[in-house]
Amino acid sequence: EIVMTQSPATLSVSPGERATLSCWASQSVSSNLAWYQQKPGQAPRLLIYGASTRATRIPARFSGSGSGTEFTLTISSLQSEDFAVYFCQHYKNWPYTFGQGTKLEIK
Amino acid sequence: EVQLVESGGGLVKPGGSLRLSCEASGFTFSTYAMSWVRQVPGKGLECISGVSGSGGSTYYADSAKGRFTISRDNSKNTLYLQMNSLRAEDTSVYYCARGLGFGGYYDSWGQGTLVTVSS
Repeated sequence: EIVMTQSPATLSVSPGERATLSCWASQSVSSNLAWYQQKPGQAPRLLIYGASTRATRIPARFSGSGSGTEFTLTISSLQSEDFAVYFCQHYKNWPYTFGQGTKLEIK
Repeated sequence: EVQLVESGGGLVKPGGSLRLSCEASGFTFSTYAMSWVRQVPGKGLECISGVSGSGGSTYYADSAKGRFTISRDNSKNTLYLQMNSLRAEDTSVYYCARGLGFGGYYDSWGQGTLVTVSS
């Protein structure tokens, strides 16, 4: 099973600033990597797939990069609605696994 | 509009069984792989089972193998998860999710149904 590790566990950023979230895979997943946003009481929402392709209706301030074992989600200018928990997920082979999440909080 | 509506959650005793359902609408159900993903409230996400669009291929996490069975009825646009021999550690919110990219990533999710395993 591929283990996904996210860092940091909590990130405090001011609105309007840039946020950079990291995700590592225990072995190469190529570009089979997705990012999700989850707000309290809601299901996850797909942001990025293929490591760098934004999902439908996702604002351009969200961008993903990386391949192999190291990945990054960048939010270029934080809006109030962006404060949430973010998960990465690989889908190279079953079982697909998620990282433990990064909580993005208002500084 | 894509909609996924789970049902069947509730309180069950350890060792008991439960069947979850997920009714889909707004898309051609049979052409999409589907999965069940669970989450202990406030914690991480776990893909526990997946099924191909035809139902011919199924996948399970180790935590579900031998106890859970995923299935689908494409004539009813419904996904199922039969859960047997339930344990306290199965207590979670269970989401059904529509898979893209050969079922690998999930673009639509239901609202979730809570399963509580407790005596």
